[in-house]
Amino acid sequence: SAVISQKPSRDICQRGTSLTIQCQVDSQVTMMFWYRQQPGQSLTLIATANQGSEATYESGFVIDKFPISRPNLTFSTLTVSNMSPEDSSIYLCSVTRDTDYEQYFGPGTRLTVT
Amino acid sequence: EDQVTQSPEALRLQEGESSSLNCSYTVSGLRGLFWYRQDPGKGPEFLFTLYSAGEEKEKERLKATLTKKESFLHITAPKPEDSATYLCAVQSNSGYALNFGKGTSLLVTP
Repeated sequence: SAVISQKPSRDICQRGTSLTIQCQVDSQVTMMFWYRQQPGQSLTLIATANQGSEATYESGFVIDKFPISRPNLTFSTLTVSNMSPEDSSIYLCSVTRDTDYEQYFGPGTRLTVT
Repeated sequence: EDQVTQSPEALRLQEGESSSLNCSYTVSGLRGLFWYRQDPGKGPEFLFTLYSAGEEKEKERLKATLTKKESFLHITAPKPEDSATYLCAVQSNSGYALNFGKGTSLLVTP
């Protein structure tokens, strides 16, 4: 498996501000993913982040709102920009090991926008 | 478009009362079907990946099976600590992202 940490674990933010979430993995991985889990809902993929290339966004998610960085094989950040209450969710990063397709998740960042 | 439907939405069991959770799926080409356990306030915990119809995997009281249209997560003699939301997800062979169902919330009472 992979050990994944996220910072911050939770935050309360004001409308119109931005928050950057960090994801750190204990080993090098090629593929990292960012998901959103809205209250009472299942997980929805925001984007795929591969080192050395631009992130690939899913339908309904745009780079201006959710810019992603992937500077190396163990670290990624997701920024939630110009936040509104509708952005209140749990944001999760996940990784896929290069040896198989198993995907492991971090503990999540619980974001509340007031 | 890939679709994943889990049933039931919620399940309440007495300790020791075995049951099964269902995950029906449609996908253009299946690379893998994943089962996760999620406790409140935590990220999903990986349980199993199944890759082809007929495959089965076991872990303690849990057993996952796969057909061409659905997967079952069998829980044998559950304990209260098995209470959690169980998520099913499919991965198509066109990418690595997971498409999740809405989950089954399991409550096991003493």
